[in-house]
Amino acid sequence: NAGVTQTPKFRILKIGQSMTLQCTQDMNHNYMYWYRQDPGMGLKLIYYSVGAGITDKGEVPNGYNVSRSTTEDFPLRLELAAPSQTSVYFCASSYDPGQRNEKLFFGSGTQLSVL
Amino acid sequence: AQRVTQPEKLLSVFKGAPVELKCNYSYSGSPELFWYVQYSRQRLQLLLRHISRESIKGFTADLNKGETSFHLKKPFAQEEDSAMYYCALRTGAGNMLTFGGGTRLMVKP
Repeated sequence: NAGVTQTPKFRILKIGQSMTLQCTQDMNHNYMYWYRQDPGMGLKLIYYSVGAGITDKGEVPNGYNVSRSTTEDFPLRLELAAPSQTSVYFCASSYDPGQRNEKLFFGSGTQLSVL
Repeated sequence: AQRVTQPEKLLSVFKGAPVELKCNYSYSGSPELFWYVQYSRQRLQLLLRHISRESIKGFTADLNKGETSFHLKKPFAQEEDSAMYYCALRTGAGNMLTFGGGTRLMVKP
């Protein structure tokens, strides 16, 4: 299993440009998440999904959109990039976070700079 | 609202010294606490969780509900313990994880 795969690893955008961060997992996990990591601020949840066709906002959803058309894929869309969206983005997945021994599996991250 | 605080951004110790990475949380319900770790050039991964009461790579963490803390401890630090450590809180609402700001541990030879 490849686990959670994120692309691209690095990207530089100009203000106002749009892009999609790709995330796919091959573990048949129901739950998928997008976090952003700002220096010294920990990881903040942007959006999450509990299954195909179902998405919900996290703590910092403004400026982002997501979709979950399949179990495997959970892309994150930035429509009008702003400097405040410069961050490292992590995708994660889990089968059922409510279960006692569950844990998150993380992707390797996407470093995004908006200039 | 739930919150996780890791007061130290950087902790530097010598090999063989004891290590304690601090984590405090605020949550009105019954918490589940975790420690995640990110080694250099590796992905963020689970280190341990309080409900398992386990020791992983020599690390332990005890949930202290009175002090609302979940400090990570190791009696003798090793160079390979150098990494970024994140404390995380899972709450009942949606089973989402709230992460602390992280502590970078540097173990010097």
